[in-house]
Amino acid sequence: DQQVKQNSPSLSVQEGRISILNCDYTNSMFDYFLWYKKYPAEGPTFLISISSIKDKNEDGRFTVFLNKSAKHLSLHIVPSQPGDSAVYFCAAGDDKIIFGKGTRLHILP
Amino acid sequence: DTGVSQDPRHKITKRGQNVTFRCDPISEHNRLYWYRQTLGQGPEFLTYFQNEAQLEKSRLLSDRFSAERPKGSFSTLEIQRTEQGDSAMYLCASSSPDRLYEQYFGPGTRLTVT
Repeated sequence: DQQVKQNSPSLSVQEGRISILNCDYTNSMFDYFLWYKKYPAEGPTFLISISSIKDKNEDGRFTVFLNKSAKHLSLHIVPSQPGDSAVYFCAAGDDKIIFGKGTRLHILP
Repeated sequence: DTGVSQDPRHKITKRGQNVTFRCDPISEHNRLYWYRQTLGQGPEFLTYFQNEAQLEKSRLLSDRFSAERPKGSFSTLEIQRTEQGDSAMYLCASSSPDRLYEQYFGPGTRLTVT
């Protein structure tokens, strides 16, 4: 039973355009939501987070949106750059966090 | 701040052998987490510590797995009588008291059981 779902295994976006990665969750008790980025042979790198009391958090090119009624969050990357090509994990939880399976983002030149 | 470090980075062992991994968290991070990641999956929670106290263990953590954090600093994860299904990336993460939910990961230890 997946509590955090990333339904798109991969996504290709033109350089300079907006990348939108989506995530759905099932547990309305989750307090915190996070996005991580992972390159091959490295551990996940923390990108951005949002608490359940907010609906938007922005950090540079990265913005996370939370829609609690739909149990949905998304990560927007604007503008997309070649170095953004990686696997992105959505995570949610409280004392422990649960990860989705990831979405591989390809930034096309 | 040197980040979370893990040792070794790679381990190849034969089925039935015991292995031990070490994690050094970011200094002053009081929480330390262990995860396991297999191909095509996100990291799966195994266990976590607050200082030296082990607060939760996943049902994924069979009796062959044990983790310690004796002085509230580094942690070890031991797997006894390894099985081929234990082959995975073992990730360690830590978080600070004021931002508990933001976990910072180490590079992982890749275990291959032959």
